[in-house]
Amino acid sequence: ETGVTQTPRHLVMGMTNKKSLKCEQHLGHNAMYWYKQSAKKPLELMFVYSLEERVENNSVPSRFSPECPNSSHLFLHLHTLQPEDSALYLCASSQDRMGAGGYTFGSGTRLTVV
Amino acid sequence: GEDVEQSLFLSVREGDSSVINCTYTDSSSTYLYWYKQEPGAGLQLLTYIFSNMDMKQDQRLTVLLNKKDKHLSLRIADTQTGDSAIYFCAEMENQGGKLIFGQGTELSVKP
Repeated sequence: ETGVTQTPRHLVMGMTNKKSLKCEQHLGHNAMYWYKQSAKKPLELMFVYSLEERVENNSVPSRFSPECPNSSHLFLHLHTLQPEDSALYLCASSQDRMGAGGYTFGSGTRLTVV
Repeated sequence: GEDVEQSLFLSVREGDSSVINCTYTDSSSTYLYWYKQEPGAGLQLLTYIFSNMDMKQDQRLTVLLNKKDKHLSLRIADTQTGDSAIYFCAEMENQGGKLIFGQGTELSVKP
């Protein structure tokens, strides 16, 4: 374990379902991130939270809705997804937004949309 | 926008050295990173280098930075089968404070 825990590890959902991905860190970090990793593509930054405030939203469709209730927890709420949203969703955290020491990643949630 | 490029595949024999190369575009990047991803896992930070350095060594890993050419490399000495993974180069974007990743280089180590 890296200090960033993601649940569930695997998720299969239908296009009409609603589900949530959870990320938790107890590293005392102040910034948290959601990345999407699709096959043969670079990691795509989706959302950035710093001190529980969303500071970046990289043109992500509204069917993805993040939530950061406190500095240790980050959620990604999913609804009405499309098959092309199937990917590995990675959560990361860093001490602050400048991330000088790098980001610490969780193991990811493998999402399959059927 | 910022871009990070890597070759997609590298194959080496066990015991040889591996060199994974990366080019980036943001000349104001403050930090550059190497991450490793094993199958079914997240990204693990291997090492990073500050932009005012040109070399960093950490056990079997050597990072070389050519800031003029915006070229970063990761050398793994005495490569083992356990080093087989995808290696990602990343730059810390100075303006936005976000990490920009390359596509990753899949390293295959043959016995």
